[in-house]
Amino acid sequence: DAGVTQSPTHLIKTRGQQVTLRCSPISGHKSVSWYQQVLGQGPQFIFQYYEKEERGRGNFPDRFSARQFPNYSSELNVNALLLGDSALYLCASIQPGHIQETQYFGPGTRLLVL
Amino acid sequence: EDQVTQSPEALRLQEGESSSLNCSYTVSGLRGLFWYRQDPGKGPEFLFTLYSAGEEKEKERLKATLTKKESFLHITAPKPEDSATYLCAVRAFGNEKLTFGTGTRLTIIP
Repeated sequence: DAGVTQSPTHLIKTRGQQVTLRCSPISGHKSVSWYQQVLGQGPQFIFQYYEKEERGRGNFPDRFSARQFPNYSSELNVNALLLGDSALYLCASIQPGHIQETQYFGPGTRLLVL
Repeated sequence: EDQVTQSPEALRLQEGESSSLNCSYTVSGLRGLFWYRQDPGKGPEFLFTLYSAGEEKEKERLKATLTKKESFLHITAPKPEDSATYLCAVRAFGNEKLTFGTGTRLTIIP
């Protein structure tokens, strides 16, 4: 079975631009979470979506938004990019409601803002 | 607010030299404590989930344990391929997010 897929793998943008990152969860998983990982730090929670509904939001500005589609794939949008948005953006696939719930991460999208 | 502190920040071991990584946490009702391995430039790879104090889990050369305040990841007779950053995370009841520590960067020298 395919794991979590993310696209693109790498991206270079300039300040003020907008970016869209994409994620496809593991087959059968209905929930995804997005995390930002700055170099040398642990991942920071941005959003969680389940069945197209937002289930949680981290401490990120309104420039960050996301959505989930009927096929459970998801997009993360970041507007008005800042230099500090340069990071590895991770998508995690989750099967909620199960006692032994685990978040499985994709390979990430490396975003560089110049 | 949930907090996770990992120590040491970095650890260099000779091949075969066993050691332990520490994860101290504070959380309002622990739903689960998670260990991940992360190679440079890649996404975290799931290793273990622990749910209650006293629980232990093993996988190859790794063994994770849990108390009410901390978790240990014991590595026995490590090999160079065990070199990676090891991340610890917690999830609280009623909260959807994982709260991560900053990780321990482990280097195994042949």
